[in-house]
Amino acid sequence: DVKVTQSSRYLVKRTGEKVFLECVQDMDHENMFWYRQDPGLGLRLIYFSYDVKMKEKGDIPEGYSVSREKKERFSLILESASTNQTSMYLCASSVTSGRAFNEQFFGPGTRLTVL
Amino acid sequence: TQLLEQSPQFLSIQEGENLTVYCNSSSVFSSLQWYRQEPGEGPVLLVTVVTGGEVKKLKRLTFQFGDARKDSSLHITAAQPGDTGLYLCAGAPSGTYKYIFGTGTRLKVLA
Repeated sequence: DVKVTQSSRYLVKRTGEKVFLECVQDMDHENMFWYRQDPGLGLRLIYFSYDVKMKEKGDIPEGYSVSREKKERFSLILESASTNQTSMYLCASSVTSGRAFNEQFFGPGTRLTVL
Repeated sequence: TQLLEQSPQFLSIQEGENLTVYCNSSSVFSSLQWYRQEPGEGPVLLVTVVTGGEVKKLKRLTFQFGDARKDSSLHITAAQPGDTGLYLCAGAPSGTYKYIFGTGTRLKVLA
């Protein structure tokens, strides 16, 4: 059974704190993604990675960074958390093939609140 | 900005009713996917439509890809409480590898 796990389901942090969100997949997928989900806005891509140590900015990378030191792990970092980063964060992974995209497998999400 | 607009944004219906959710764009897509997200979980893929005009059925769910590949619809027949969730369309506009999600339709089916 394929699985994407995220380190926390709920997280409460204070403004200015450094926040780490961890994601692990056990499917040997090349691609990994970080999204944030806000009501009425759907899912917005923050960063994605198509290989170890490779990363690409998505639509809303400001205030975030990522790290992919191992194929199975993709970390999202909030260098200095702000209240407008309060959101649901979803991690996903997918395989690479000749198609432009493939099914994405999602983790359960981390609901982050920044006070 | 390439967008996928979904309508309606919210839908609350009684068990047994039929409904249709729409996903529209001004861009052409090589294919579109539909996901369902249940509370506390990540989205799960329901179907991928690839060919313009294609119709796919998944039990009581019928998915259609527009002839011009700019829009898609999801029709649910005889909705059940288990259909409750957030429905998302997603795809990459033709000629790009940029994968985008629709704005979502939140469906609630009352018993």
